[in-house]
Amino acid sequence: EIVLTQSPGTLSLSPGERATLSCRASQSVSSSFLAWYQQKPGQAPRLLIYGASSRATGIPDRFSGRGSGTDFTFTISRLEPEDFAVYYCQQYDTFPVTFGQGTKLEIK
Amino acid sequence: QVQLVQSGAEVKKPGASVKVSCKASGYSFTRYAMHWVRQAPGQRLEWMGWINPGNGNTKYSQKFQDRVTITRDTSANIVYMELSSLRFEDTAVYYCARDGVGATISRFDSWGRGTLVTVSS
Repeated sequence: EIVLTQSPGTLSLSPGERATLSCRASQSVSSSFLAWYQQKPGQAPRLLIYGASSRATGIPDRFSGRGSGTDFTFTISRLEPEDFAVYYCQQYDTFPVTFGQGTKLEIK
Repeated sequence: QVQLVQSGAEVKKPGASVKVSCKASGYSFTRYAMHWVRQAPGQRLEWMGWINPGNGNTKYSQKFQDRVTITRDTSANIVYMELSSLRFEDTAVYYCARDGVGATISRFDSWGRGTLVTVSS
C-alpha cells in the first residue's frame, strides 16, 4: 500500500501568516488522485482539495494545493483563526485508500 | 443538502460484534458509494472498505477483510458496517463518508459525525 508521510508534524504560526504543508508518497500517485482534509477537535474531516489542486465546493481561495508524483504541497496563504486544525492528505489512486499521519497547525 | 446521520456510541466487550448505521439523505442514495473510515485515539484516519449501494458490491481493506461486513438497505437509505471479533485496539471513532464522484473510490465529500465504539472488558 502507498504510505503517505506528512511534514512537519506540528506547525506553529500566527494568524495572517502563510502555512505550507508537505505530503510525500512512498510511490507515485498517478493522475493526482490526492486530496487534503481539515479536521477540528471532535469533528469529522472536511474535504478541502481534491485532484491535488482543485478546491472543493465552498472552500475559500486562500487554500490551495499542488504537486504530482510523490510530492504534494498544501498552502494556506493567510491564516485565519478558524484555520488552526489538523490537516490530512489522502491518496485514492491505489487500493487501499490511505491517509497521511496529519500535520497539526497550531497558533503561535 | 447531503446529510449522513450515524448511530450512537457503543460499548462492547472483546470478542463481541458491533453494527454501526449511517442514514443518508439529500441525494440519490444508489448513485454514490459509501466508505467507512475509522480513527483510533491520536491515530491517522484508516479506510476500512466501501459499498456500492446501487448493486451491493463491496470491497474491504485487507486489514479488515476477515472481520468487517458492509451492507445497505435501499428502502431506508441506510448503510451498515459490522465489525466482529472486537479487540481493545478497535476502540475508535467510525465514520461513514460519501464518495465525491459516484460508485467509485475517490475523495470523500461528505462525512457523518462519527460513532465512538469502545471495546472494554
